[in-house]
Amino acid sequence: DAGVTQSPTHLIKTRGQHVTLRCSPISGHKSVSWYQQVLGQGPQFIFQYYEKEERGRGNFPDRFSARQFPNYSSELNVNALLLGDSALYLCASSTWTGNTEAFFGQGTRLTVV
Amino acid sequence: GESVGLHLPTLSVQEGDNSIINCAYSNSASDYFIWYKQESGKGPQFIIDIRSNMDKRQGQRVTVLLNKTVKHLSLQIAATQPGDSAVYFCAESNMTTDSWGKLQFGAGTQVVVTP
Repeated sequence: DAGVTQSPTHLIKTRGQHVTLRCSPISGHKSVSWYQQVLGQGPQFIFQYYEKEERGRGNFPDRFSARQFPNYSSELNVNALLLGDSALYLCASSTWTGNTEAFFGQGTRLTVV
Repeated sequence: GESVGLHLPTLSVQEGDNSIINCAYSNSASDYFIWYKQESGKGPQFIIDIRSNMDKRQGQRVTVLLNKTVKHLSLQIAATQPGDSAVYFCAESNMTTDSWGKLQFGAGTQVVVTP
């Protein structure tokens, strides 16, 4: 079975531009979460979606938005990119159980210049 | 705010020795804890988890210990191998709330295995 897949793997954008990152969860997983990992730090929670509804949001500005599709894949959108948005963006999928494990994709490395 | 943190940023271990990675958490409401391994250029890889109703859980070559009294979590790796070189993160969550999917990570510990 395929694990969590993210696209693209690397991306270079200019300040002020918009970016869309994509994630396909593990088959059967209905929850997708997004994390931002700045170099040298642990991942920071951005969003969680379950059954196409937002279930949690971290401390990120409104420039960050996301959505989940009927097939449970997800997109993370970032508007008006800043240099500080340069990071590894991670997607994690999990099941809605009482003892869930979150499995991460390989991430999308976003560089804003 | 409350956060998960690690005591040691870098841990050097000789191949074959046991490794112990420590983690302190401050959110007393957290009831689920996970250890992740992250190799350079890759996403975090699940190692082992433990719920707050347990003190110890063992996997293959790894053991997680949870001390709720002092809010401390540790990961023990037996017979450390070169392939264990990576950054290790502990993460916490509260499974009883709507934010069960929100994992709060610490800064990580770099484990370097020397021959």
